[in-house]
Amino acid sequence: EAGVAQSPRYKIIEKRQSVAFWCNPISGHATLYWYQQILGQGPKLLIQFQNNGVVDDSQLPKDRFSAERLKGVDSTLKIQPAKLEDSAVYLCASSLGRPGNEQFFGPGTRLTVL
Amino acid sequence: AQRVTQPEKLLSVFKGAPVELKCNYSYSGSPELFWYVQYSRQRLQLLLRHISRESIKGFTADLNKGETSFHLKKPFAQEEDSAMYYCAPPPSGGYQKVTFGTGTKLQVIP
Repeated sequence: EAGVAQSPRYKIIEKRQSVAFWCNPISGHATLYWYQQILGQGPKLLIQFQNNGVVDDSQLPKDRFSAERLKGVDSTLKIQPAKLEDSAVYLCASSLGRPGNEQFFGPGTRLTVL
Repeated sequence: AQRVTQPEKLLSVFKGAPVELKCNYSYSGSPELFWYVQYSRQRLQLLLRHISRESIKGFTADLNKGETSFHLKKPFAQEEDSAMYYCAPPPSGGYQKVTFGTGTKLQVIP
């Protein structure tokens, strides 16, 4: 089966600019996750969707980050405006949707903010 | 918040030696924990979960509630085990502030 797809794979922007990341989960997976992984740290969950509803965005900096999952399939994560500390790998993952289900990860998008 | 800690950033062992990657957790309730692995130039993927009590690629992990630990073990390390290993709580909905452990790089020396 096809895995989780993400684009772009790499992005370089200047601070205060905006950026958007796209994720296409595995077909049939109800739950979609966005993680931020800063160099040297483990992935931190930013937001979790169940179908097109948000179930956890407790660690999403809502003043600059936003995410949506229209129609309960693809998702976009946006940063506006970006700061230097947003430099990280942004990982998308999906799962079938029951608590504790295995997450399948995409390749990630490496963001560099100059 | 569910917290996990991995005290070792790097663990180097010789091929054939036993391996133990440490993970400690600190949250209330009945914990569910996972080990994820990332091989060089590959995606993060599930290695094993404590609920299934399975052995994957020779690795096992036992949940020790008394010590609040979920250490990953393998009796004989192989070169292909070299990778980053992350201990993680599951995001199961609700405001849980989920963060993976910082990861341990396992280096198996031939």
